[in-house]
Amino acid sequence: KAGVTQTPRYLIKTRGQQVTLSCSPISGHRSVSWYQQTPGQGLQFLFEYFSETQRNKGNFPGRFSGRQFSNSRSEMNVSTLELGDSALYLCASSLAGRGPNEQFFGPGTRLTVL
Amino acid sequence: QQQVKQSPQSLIVQKGGISIINCAYENTAFDYFPWYQQFPGKGPALLIAIRPDVSEKKEGRFTISFNKSAKQFSLHIMDSQPGDSATYFCAASSYTGTASKLTFGTGTRLQVTL
Repeated sequence: KAGVTQTPRYLIKTRGQQVTLSCSPISGHRSVSWYQQTPGQGLQFLFEYFSETQRNKGNFPGRFSGRQFSNSRSEMNVSTLELGDSALYLCASSLAGRGPNEQFFGPGTRLTVL
Repeated sequence: QQQVKQSPQSLIVQKGGISIINCAYENTAFDYFPWYQQFPGKGPALLIAIRPDVSEKKEGRFTISFNKSAKQFSLHIMDSQPGDSATYFCAASSYTGTASKLTFGTGTRLQVTL
């Protein structure tokens, strides 16, 4: 079974631009979560999508948004990029059944904002 | 607010030794405690997880010890190998029906020397 895939793997943008990252979950997984990883703040939860609905959200500004499609694939968008948005953005998928769900992470998208 | 505190920040262990990483949490609603292993350039991978109804869980060379009253849990890596050199993250989540949000510790960089 293929793992979580994220595209692109690397991105370089300049301040003020916007960016869209894509995540394809493991087949059959209905929940997709996004995390930001930086050396200073570690791994921080951005949001979770399930059945095309955002059902959980972390403490990030509204510039960070996401969506999920009917095939469970997800995208996240960051508008008006700031230097501090440079990070590894990780997507994780899970079955989202009842009880704690094991989350499987993708390799991440490395975003550099210049 | 750091809800999961992890120590040490870095650890050097000789091959064959025991690696011990500790975490403490504040939120008593947490009821799922996974450990993730991350190699450079990769996303975190689930290593082992525990629920608070047991005090210990062992999988191969990896053991989680859990102390509910102290709100602490730890990862023990027995017979540490150079291939175990990676960054380890503890995490916690609470199941409320929408429980795919993980709160991570700050990570421990483990180096296993020959």
